[in-house]
Amino acid sequence: QSALTQPASVSGSPGQSITISCTGTSSDVGGYTYVSWYQQHPGKAPKLIIYDVSDRPSGVSNRFSGSKSGNTASLTISGLQAEDEADYYCNSYTSSTTLVFGGGTKLTVV
Amino acid sequence: QVQLVQSGAEVKKPGASVKVSCKASGYSFTNYAIHWVRQAPGQRLEWMGWINTGNGDTKYSQRFQGRVTITRDTSASTAYMELSSLRSEDTAIYYCTREHRIRLDPWGQGTLVTVSS
Repeated sequence: QSALTQPASVSGSPGQSITISCTGTSSDVGGYTYVSWYQQHPGKAPKLIIYDVSDRPSGVSNRFSGSKSGNTASLTISGLQAEDEADYYCNSYTSSTTLVFGGGTKLTVV
Repeated sequence: QVQLVQSGAEVKKPGASVKVSCKASGYSFTNYAIHWVRQAPGQRLEWMGWINTGNGDTKYSQRFQGRVTITRDTSASTAYMELSSLRSEDTAIYYCTREHRIRLDPWGQGTLVTVSS
């Protein structure tokens, strides 16, 4: 199972919005609503920020939103803040009843 | 609160095996699956496999098939991940995480496994 495709890096200024894409196939992202996103700060464990494509766990800011079109899922962060600077990973269920992560995207708030 | 606490860092020689534990607390252990994910230095998250803590069924990534074994001890609310035939490329932080409807939350603090001669 190949990793889902994410851009290696994105950047934005405080207050701006950015979008991170996550491209898979019809056997994973395109075939299921089980797409989730994780935020990871340096030296820390990942944290769930979006599940089931677009749902947010309680306690996660509504500045984080998710969507999906075909085989590509997207994470949008609006009103960028310095604390959003982190690595972001998408994850999907697959037709092989396994999970697969994306390659990760480093977000820089400049 | 729901918590997963993993065992401490390990240093192993090439060819050896390592067994990492993950003790759950704050919820009914057998109601949720446990997944294992690893992250090599500076690299992406990599899914390794999962265990149905209720009946013990497992599923592994093809990449680790034959080298990884995930087990659980329900009396101790603990899951284990054993990786054999270690090589230098297995140097990584290994995480356990609880799964509910494909949501991985929360995560353990991670266990650093270093493979070095």
